[in-house]
Amino acid sequence: GDSVTQMEGPVTLSEEAFLTINCTYTATGYPSLFWYVQYPGEGLQLLLKATKADDKGSNKGFEATYRKETTSFHLEKGSVQVSDSGVYFCALTSNFGNEKLTFGTGTRLTIIP
Amino acid sequence: ETGVTQTPRHLVMGMTNKKSLKCEQHLGHNAMYWYKQSAKKPLELMFVYSLEERVENNSVPSRFSPECPNSSHLFLHLHTLQPEDSALYLCASSQEWTGNTEAFFGQGTRLTVV
Repeated sequence: GDSVTQMEGPVTLSEEAFLTINCTYTATGYPSLFWYVQYPGEGLQLLLKATKADDKGSNKGFEATYRKETTSFHLEKGSVQVSDSGVYFCALTSNFGNEKLTFGTGTRLTIIP
Repeated sequence: ETGVTQTPRHLVMGMTNKKSLKCEQHLGHNAMYWYKQSAKKPLELMFVYSLEERVENNSVPSRFSPECPNSSHLFLHLHTLQPEDSALYLCASSQEWTGNTEAFFGQGTRLTVV
């Protein structure tokens, strides 16, 4: 079945550091890929998405590129801020008879001033 | 109000109690979901409702009983729970139950079973 594997956390970085959170997937068909973020005390919210191979999703300085050859969707940001602290979830929908969101385990990110 | 609202935010219940979680969305969406979030595990999809009809039930124990009286409201009725059911329960909604549609989440109900 469909699955998402993302790097274990927690991740702690200093402000203005470069961020990478790895995500790889297994899916039937041609999935759509998502990154969601959960800030402290809040529900998940969509950060960015990509719906086909080689698409790049971007939002709030975050980027992720849909790499079909490596089945990956790594999240990157060039200079993180304290306000980026939260739990980041990689997710997919397979678009092939199983359209529910499948999530990874989440990666907790803490940015220190 | 806008967005997805869940009540209560926190709930402590004994194993013999009966309680209900409530979710309300004012986004005009047709699909609503219940997820379970446990530490170090992927979010688990529990139930999906599309146009008030249940379209998915992922082998959830019968001690969890969903109800969708209309497209704006979703309930999760709880009875005879176990301590391992303690988790954050998240409600979400989306315009349609389709792959590319963004899901909007509530803040969750933190449930503790004692």
